[in-house]
Amino acid sequence: AQRVTQPEKLLSVFKGAPVELKCNYSYSGSPELFWYVQYSRQRLQLLLRHISRESIKGFTADLNKGETSFHLKKPFAQEEDSAMYYCALTGSNYKLTFGKGTLLTVNP
Amino acid sequence: DGGITQSPKYLFRKEGQNVTLSCEQNLNHDAMYWYRQDPGQGLRLIYYSQIVNDFQKGDIAEGYSVSREKKESFPLTVTSAQKNPTAFYLCASSMWGERAFFGQGTRLTVV
Repeated sequence: AQRVTQPEKLLSVFKGAPVELKCNYSYSGSPELFWYVQYSRQRLQLLLRHISRESIKGFTADLNKGETSFHLKKPFAQEEDSAMYYCALTGSNYKLTFGKGTLLTVNP
Repeated sequence: DGGITQSPKYLFRKEGQNVTLSCEQNLNHDAMYWYRQDPGQGLRLIYYSQIVNDFQKGDIAEGYSVSREKKESFPLTVTSAQKNPTAFYLCASSMWGERAFFGQGTRLTVV
């Protein structure tokens, strides 16, 4: 069974502080991993995917197969980063599974 | 994300009635998905379809049914067997391994 775990429901940081949103996964094969973001009153949208290895809005995420983790990081949080963040996994069966999400609040 | 459309945005039904939520995409995506989003529960997968005329149960399929007669369309029926149908429902589509595009969602209220 594939599973995505986001241990923190809520995360609150101050502007300019580093932020790390944790994501652990369970999957027997080689997964595709994603981070999605949902800003207030907007549709869920892709933030980044592990295969592209790019930085979007200052966020990066590294796939650690040994620890089965895909944590999302940003060195200096901004107030506009406040949103709900979801880690997601898809395997060879097309099944796209999401974690429960972490609500990030960046305080001024 | 204008390529995937859910309708209606709000839906009210009486308890015991079946109701069908619409999801249409013009992105030529193979895969389509239905999720239920509840506070604190994240997105829970109801059903998904890899190809026309084929679909798979997700993690919470009980009380729901789907069809995939056309590539563009993946309607979800919430049946009277669903014990707690009031929720926010999200439809998505994608190509395998690629980003998923989401609809605006349908908020269903059963009274």
